[in-house]
Amino acid sequence: AQSVSQHNHHVILSEAASLELGCNYSYGGTVNLFWYVQYPGQHLQLLLKYFSGDPLVKGIKGFEAEFIKSKFSFNLRKPSVQWSDTAEYFCAVIIKAAGNKLTFGGGTRVLVKP
Amino acid sequence: GAGVSQSPSNKVTEKGKDVELRCDPISGHTALYWYRQSLGQGLEFLIYFQGNSAPDKSGLPSDRFSAERTGGSVSTLTIQRTQQEDSAVYLCASSPSEGGPYEQYFGPGTRLTVT
Repeated sequence: AQSVSQHNHHVILSEAASLELGCNYSYGGTVNLFWYVQYPGQHLQLLLKYFSGDPLVKGIKGFEAEFIKSKFSFNLRKPSVQWSDTAEYFCAVIIKAAGNKLTFGGGTRVLVKP
Repeated sequence: GAGVSQSPSNKVTEKGKDVELRCDPISGHTALYWYRQSLGQGLEFLIYFQGNSAPDKSGLPSDRFSAERTGGSVSTLTIQRTQQEDSAVYLCASSPSEGGPYEQYFGPGTRLTVT
């Protein structure tokens, strides 16, 4: 079965540090890729998405992600985090051949220390 | 504009009882999705409706789970004879479906606790 892997379950870092969260998926066909964020007590919201075109996509709040097709990866980055970036981050994939349902990774809890 | 709304926000029920969870999608969105978020299983797909097509039920974990969508808008997820392992946050999402692709917009979820 197709799957999405997020390598880090928990990340702790200080403000102004750089963040990179890994995401790999196991499907060789056409995919749409997403990063969603869930702030404490809030619902899931979209950070950024990749459908086609430039593999480097920019999202809200200074986040960006790079789609590397040859590595089946879609890693999330932010050069300088803030305390308000404390949240759980989910990578998700739509496999076009399987319909529009999202397959999520296990999530990464990020704690930014002030 | 208004986002996806879900009710109730919290539901506590006794094992063996039936529960109904409601989702109101964003107006005009023709695709509606149900997911659940639990500690053991993470975020997993349950079912989705797209326009007038037959729903994709491939994620429903057992025949105790069912969902319907009336009039192409509001959806109800029903869990019969609830079990403790059904305890989770049930999330609804919606999106446009013509053309696309599109992102999915999530509601706040219903936290179900089965005692």
